[in-house]
Amino acid sequence: QSVLTQPPSVSAAPGQKVTISCSGSSSNIGIKDVSWYQKFPGTVPKLLIYENDKRPSGIPDRFSGSKSGTSATLGITGLQTGDEADYYCLTWDNSLRAGVFGGGTKLTVL
Amino acid sequence: EVQLLESGGGLGQPGGSLRLSCAASGFTFSRYSMVWVRQAPGKGLEWVSGVTSDGTPYYEDSVRGRVTVSRDNSKNMLYMQINSLRTGDTAIYYCANWHAGKEYIDYWGQGTLVTVSS
Repeated sequence: QSVLTQPPSVSAAPGQKVTISCSGSSSNIGIKDVSWYQKFPGTVPKLLIYENDKRPSGIPDRFSGSKSGTSATLGITGLQTGDEADYYCLTWDNSLRAGVFGGGTKLTVL
Repeated sequence: EVQLLESGGGLGQPGGSLRLSCAASGFTFSRYSMVWVRQAPGKGLEWVSGVTSDGTPYYEDSVRGRVTVSRDNSKNMLYMQINSLRTGDTAIYYCANWHAGKEYIDYWGQGTLVTVSS
């Protein structure tokens, strides 16, 4: 059971918008920044969002991040079939004194 | 260009040990915390261990006591010793840099596969 809770799966049609939630607690998301990663099978994770809402160079503005209280959200607009992947949130947990990933969310673009 | 190259994976016996290594280049290794992340077959990403730039280690609960993470800043090398191997340690292990305090990873190695089986 992950410390950070993500929905196992989300789906939406091409061109639509989807949000993926990441729920934590006062010992992690409540006091720490959150980052988001995209992972395709057999490839290395890719950083999409860091420090809650910042995009690295090269990441399209279709990807956005936000944080409120003990939850964070990844938003993807203008969905493309190439966005079908697993998405993970990551932060630090002060009580565990370790990094923690969400359980991952599989995005299906119908 | 940043490069992280893991080695040391392979087949390990239950109860045995393995030492993973990660050679870093293309950035000032000594200034960054480093972490090991793993992904078991069909499972999600799992933060396993980390070490700060000055060598302070951190461990995920399920590996604490069995795993030792270390680094050699003079050689730009990261290591992780896994003892008392369990079948549950079977996974691809990634070496990555960690922006401590900002809580993100921007560079990953390609991973090394560890299989624990008798």
